[in-house]
Amino acid sequence: AQSVTQLDSHVSVSEGTPVLLRCNYSSSYSPSLFWYVQHPNKGLQLLLKYTSAATLVKGINGFEAEFKKSETSFHLTKPSAHMSDAAEYFCVVSASAGNNRKLIWGLGTSLAVNP
Amino acid sequence: KAGVTQTPRYLIKTRGQQVTLSCSPISGHRSVSWYQQTPGQGLQFLFEYFSETQRNKGNFPGRFSGRQFSNSRSEMNVSTLELGDSALYLCASTTGGGSTEAFFGQGTRLTVV
Repeated sequence: AQSVTQLDSHVSVSEGTPVLLRCNYSSSYSPSLFWYVQHPNKGLQLLLKYTSAATLVKGINGFEAEFKKSETSFHLTKPSAHMSDAAEYFCVVSASAGNNRKLIWGLGTSLAVNP
Repeated sequence: KAGVTQTPRYLIKTRGQQVTLSCSPISGHRSVSWYQQTPGQGLQFLFEYFSETQRNKGNFPGRFSGRQFSNSRSEMNVSTLELGDSALYLCASTTGGGSTEAFFGQGTRLTVV
């Protein structure tokens, strides 16, 4: 069975400091992993995805994530937070059998960025 | 290329009523998935349609149903509404392949009073 655990429901950082949002996953298959961001009153937007190529994945807006199979983790990082990064972040695992795909969502981490 | 369009954006309904939500996927996308988002439960998968057939289903009661038309547009119906059905309902479209990106609409905010 597949599952996703986002280890922090809320993270607060100061502008200009690093961001770390933690995600652990469980998957019986070779997983695809995603991070999505949701700004208030806006739809979900893909930040980055891992699909069994390079383990360090670079996404939009300076975010990146590293797939660590031994730790079953896919933590999201950014070297320097910006006020506009304040949003809800979701870690997602995709389990596929052929074209039959299910996305399993974490409960989300709310990121606050303080001036 | 137009994005995923969900209508209406906001709805207020009374307990016991039914509601139909609509989702138009990105042109060329054949898969539409529906999610319920609430503060306490996060995103909960409702169902996925691919080429007019339900391909996956989450753990929701039979009051929640959906369908997909030949042009890939999808509708979701909730009958006998309950207060707990108040949520943001999100629609996502993909081409239908294995690990492709899902594109989301802005959602329909349903309030049941």
